[in-house]
Amino acid sequence: GAVVSQHPSWVICKSGTSVKIECRSLDFQATTMFWYRQFPKQSLMLMATSNEGSKATYEQGVEKDKFLINHASLTLSTLTVTSAHPEDSSFYICSARDLWGPGDWPYQPQHFGDGTRLSIL
Amino acid sequence: QQQVKQSPQSLIVQKGGISIINCAYENTAFDYFPWYQQFPGKGPALLIAIRPDVSEKKEGRFTISFNKSAKQFSLHIMDSQPGDSATYFCAASQGGPVGGGSNYKLTFGKGTLLTVNP
Repeated sequence: GAVVSQHPSWVICKSGTSVKIECRSLDFQATTMFWYRQFPKQSLMLMATSNEGSKATYEQGVEKDKFLINHASLTLSTLTVTSAHPEDSSFYICSARDLWGPGDWPYQPQHFGDGTRLSIL
Repeated sequence: QQQVKQSPQSLIVQKGGISIINCAYENTAFDYFPWYQQFPGKGPALLIAIRPDVSEKKEGRFTISFNKSAKQFSLHIMDSQPGDSATYFCAASQGGPVGGGSNYKLTFGKGTLLTVNP
């Protein structure tokens, strides 16, 4: 099945540091990937849609200069949290759609990575 | 504005019982309704999904019931097991042109914490 891998799974760093999170589709190509943020015991909040070869589309209220997204290839999207502060601590999850995978085209499901827990001290 | 309302917030069921989680949506343009299961510290995993052209879909112990006129859909877990204890999210999205872009964005419900007692 479609596998999405995130790295790292957990990162702890000092305030002011920039942190990069990678999201890879391991066995399929993903023209579109999505980045979510999830606070403890809460739902997933979409931050941005990452499109291969073009600029990401950010949801309202998400600072694009704070959360830099790069989707340089069909299998890799990165989220960089710049100058991270304690309030940026959260669980970040990416997802990707396999447009040529099983499912009712074009409604193939989003496959999620296992998330990255970011803790800013 | 919460576009997908999910209830209950938490649910306790005995082993072998039926777990029922309900969702209601507002945007009539939604045309894809998946359910995800999430264990602590993990990403959500797709359980089952439905399109509005059918009223019910069953996969193993999991069934989605869909009521288009009421704009409601529900997840039924038959013969619930302790291993089913997790958080369940309903979601909805709107299809669009091939290539994605901002289409196919998922709007999630707030989640239901299911506990199945042995």
